[in-house]
Amino acid sequence: DAGITQSPRHKVTETGTPVTLRCHQTENHRYMYWYRQDPGHGLRLIHYSYGVKDTDKGEVSDGYSVSRSKTEDFLLTLESATSSQTSVYFCAISEPGQGAPGYTFGSGTRLTVV
Amino acid sequence: AQSVTQPDIHITVSEGASLELRCNYSYGATPYLFWYVQSPGQGLQLLLKYFSGDTLVQGIKGFEAEFKRSQSSFNLRKPSVHWSDAAEYFCAVGANSGYSTLTFGKGTMLLVSP
Repeated sequence: DAGITQSPRHKVTETGTPVTLRCHQTENHRYMYWYRQDPGHGLRLIHYSYGVKDTDKGEVSDGYSVSRSKTEDFLLTLESATSSQTSVYFCAISEPGQGAPGYTFGSGTRLTVV
Repeated sequence: AQSVTQPDIHITVSEGASLELRCNYSYGATPYLFWYVQSPGQGLQLLLKYFSGDTLVQGIKGFEAEFKRSQSSFNLRKPSVHWSDAAEYFCAVGANSGYSTLTFGKGTMLLVSP
């Protein structure tokens, strides 16, 4: 999607290893989000950020941490990957003050933990 | 806490027939409501949104949705389905403020038969 890029697009990693996923935006939006998508669960919020160095937990934050040192980058780290973290991870961005802007989503990162 | 229920996991519609996808939400005040569509292997694309005013909202690709406060519903409709509409559809709810996290339903997979 225009203005938001996730990397890598695909990754296979071993149980117990740390993994970092990157979300990069060129829209200068203040808010950024990490969701995971699993069959039968829809999208569930992991963490979100409302500004540089300002982050908060979502409903499924255990085992994940985030960092945002620049407006354009939001990193999601799995400290010690487990098989239950095999999922598709989506980053999204939004900007307040525009009514109901909704989110713009990235194309996703498919992570497999073996 | 806000929540979204999409009662239908799968729906099959004949090409050219009308479509209605159901969405019920739980939220304590006037919500922001969204419908997103996801094609296989892709991110989510915003179809339409409601935050105030006219309860019938028009979106892209010929879709519309009607907000019914009394029924806590925001059903998505299309008068004539095309084969290219086959995808997964997600309803989402957020707080009626300049920014909020969104809560998604589990999705409805639309299959289009010839």
